[in-house]
Amino acid sequence: RKEVEQDPGPFNVPEGATVAFNCTYSNSASQSFFWYRQDCRKEPKLLMSVYSSGNEDGRFTAQLNRASQYISLLIRDSKLSDSATYLCVVNMKTSNTGKLIFGQGTTLQVKP
Amino acid sequence: DAGVIQSPRHEVTEMGQEVTLRCKPISGHDYLFWYRQTMMRGLELLIYFNNNVPIDDSGMPEDRFSAKMPNASFSTLKIQPSEPRDSAVYFCASRFPTGPIYFGEGSWLTVV
Repeated sequence: RKEVEQDPGPFNVPEGATVAFNCTYSNSASQSFFWYRQDCRKEPKLLMSVYSSGNEDGRFTAQLNRASQYISLLIRDSKLSDSATYLCVVNMKTSNTGKLIFGQGTTLQVKP
Repeated sequence: DAGVIQSPRHEVTEMGQEVTLRCKPISGHDYLFWYRQTMMRGLELLIYFNNNVPIDDSGMPEDRFSAKMPNASFSTLKIQPSEPRDSAVYFCASRFPTGPIYFGEGSWLTVV
């Protein structure tokens, strides 16, 4: 089983749609969680951190479910500019330090 | 603020040549990471350092790859001899002990 797993997609949605991505992780002691966005031929960039209570940033909402060991990202009112690959990232050490494990990414294509 | 700085941005080299990629992490970050990304294998962690000391190099593909961090503001990834299958984008990234990771723009390597 991979340490961090995502549905690679692609997710093809029309503009204005709501889309949700899930990501599961294997290490129950994981402490830090993030969503990154990567555009074609660019580096991954931080989209948002994921907090235990859930958090929202504009049209983006992140949730953490420790019992089921998954995090989610919800995008409301999708824009063409949201088309990208979304990477789920988990810190795998209980000390909250050390390496971060990346999922393989979920590709989103928003169409007019 | 300066982000992670990598050089060269693009390199085309012949098989068998030595390749050296360079990275300057964000000032004050304790951790430095080298990743490789290809379409086939996604984002792979090659090695990471904590306070200039290599912590985990299990992702380094073979002895042809080596990485050093002589001081807190500089790291190199060297491939000698290079092979066509090493063609990829190599990302350097850094972070504090907690919090997200920040990537450089990548070094795009083509070995012909």
